[in-house]
Amino acid sequence: DQQVKQNSPSLSVQEGRISILNCDYTNSMFDYFLWYKKYPAEGPTFLISISSIKDKNEDGRFTVFLNKSAKHLSLHIVPSQPGDSAVYFCAASGNQFYFGTGTSLTVIP
Amino acid sequence: NAGVMQNPRHLVRRRGQEARLRCSPVKGHSHVYWYRQLPEEGLKFMVYLQKENIIDESGMPKERFSAEFPKEGPSILRIQQVVRGDSAAYFCASSPAMPDFYTEAFFGQGTRLTVV
Repeated sequence: DQQVKQNSPSLSVQEGRISILNCDYTNSMFDYFLWYKKYPAEGPTFLISISSIKDKNEDGRFTVFLNKSAKHLSLHIVPSQPGDSAVYFCAASGNQFYFGTGTSLTVIP
Repeated sequence: NAGVMQNPRHLVRRRGQEARLRCSPVKGHSHVYWYRQLPEEGLKFMVYLQKENIIDESGMPKERFSAEFPKEGPSILRIQQVVRGDSAAYFCASSPAMPDFYTEAFFGQGTRLTVV
């Protein structure tokens, strides 16, 4: 059973615009969430995280929003750049790290 | 300040052979995780280990797969009698604390296993 879900397998955005990647989870006990970025033939790299005591965390162009009641989080990238083109995984930590299936973002120059 | 080191990066095995994948965690990290990524799929959890202990192996196939993280040395993921369906990228990650302690997992570059 997939406890963390990313329902959009792919997303295309024009350079300079906002990219919004979405993630849903099922376990209300999760209280720490992470986003990872993965380029082809490389391992995922940690991008940004948020704990459940917050509803927003910002780091430069990246902002993660958490809606606990809806069990939903999103990653906003603004402005999007071609170098942001990658697969983005959302994850939740519990007794292990649970990953979504990823969203492939393409930023079009 | 080395990160997670996995070797080999690429491994080719014939059907029926054994594959051994190695993972050296970040220095000081005692929590190791293995994930598998099949083509066109996401990261699938396999096993979570601490030094000398398997904490959660709920994602490991019941047969042919085993993992260890000895007191000294790297973590090893062993696949016996490989089949074509085992072809995938295998990622190892480590963390300095348990997953429910607001910590991040740091990933290696992965080992791409090809079974021919």
